[in-house]
Amino acid sequence: NAGVTQTPKFQVLKTGQSMTLQCAQDMNHEYMSWYRQDPGMGLRLIHYSVGAGITDQGEVPNGYNVSRSTTEDFPLRLLSAAPSQTSVYFCASSRGSRGQETQYFGPGTRLLVL
Amino acid sequence: RKEVEQDPGPFNVPEGATVAFNCTYSNSASQSFFWYRQDCRKEPKLLMSVYSSGNEDGRFTAQLNRASQYISLLIRDSKLSDSATYLCVVNYDSGNTGKLIFGQGTTLQVKP
Repeated sequence: NAGVTQTPKFQVLKTGQSMTLQCAQDMNHEYMSWYRQDPGMGLRLIHYSVGAGITDQGEVPNGYNVSRSTTEDFPLRLLSAAPSQTSVYFCASSRGSRGQETQYFGPGTRLLVL
Repeated sequence: RKEVEQDPGPFNVPEGATVAFNCTYSNSASQSFFWYRQDCRKEPKLLMSVYSSGNEDGRFTAQLNRASQYISLLIRDSKLSDSATYLCVVNYDSGNTGKLIFGQGTTLQVKP
């Protein structure tokens, strides 16, 4: 099993550009989520999904969209990049959605917005 | 006030030392608790869950104090490979899903 994979590993964008961060898992997990990690702050939840076709907002959803057309994939779209979105983005998955299960994280995408 | 607070450190200790980290949480409805480990520029990985009765995994011991709303992680006989950031994570029910709140992490540097 590859676990949770994310692409790209690094990305530089100009303000106003859009892009999609890819996330895939091969563990048949129903719950997937996106976090951002900034210096001095804990991981903050952007969006999450409890299954294919179901998504919801987390703590910091503004400027991001998600969709979940399959169990395996959960892409994160930046609509119009801003310097405040410079961060490290982690995708995670878990077997259940109650938060009691182990969260498996991808290796992260480092994004710089100029 | 942050929902989950940790002393960011860094904690600099010699090999073989015992070191303890504390984490406080603000929501008394929190139901489950975890310690995750994050190596530099890598993804977080589960270190251990924290149970009400306390639990031990080798050199690592986790304790929960619900009355005072804090959890702790004790590392005995520190190894160089223990150098990492330790994230305190608290979960509570939010509608149909759990809500995980991450602390900012405590950095440990074990020196030879």
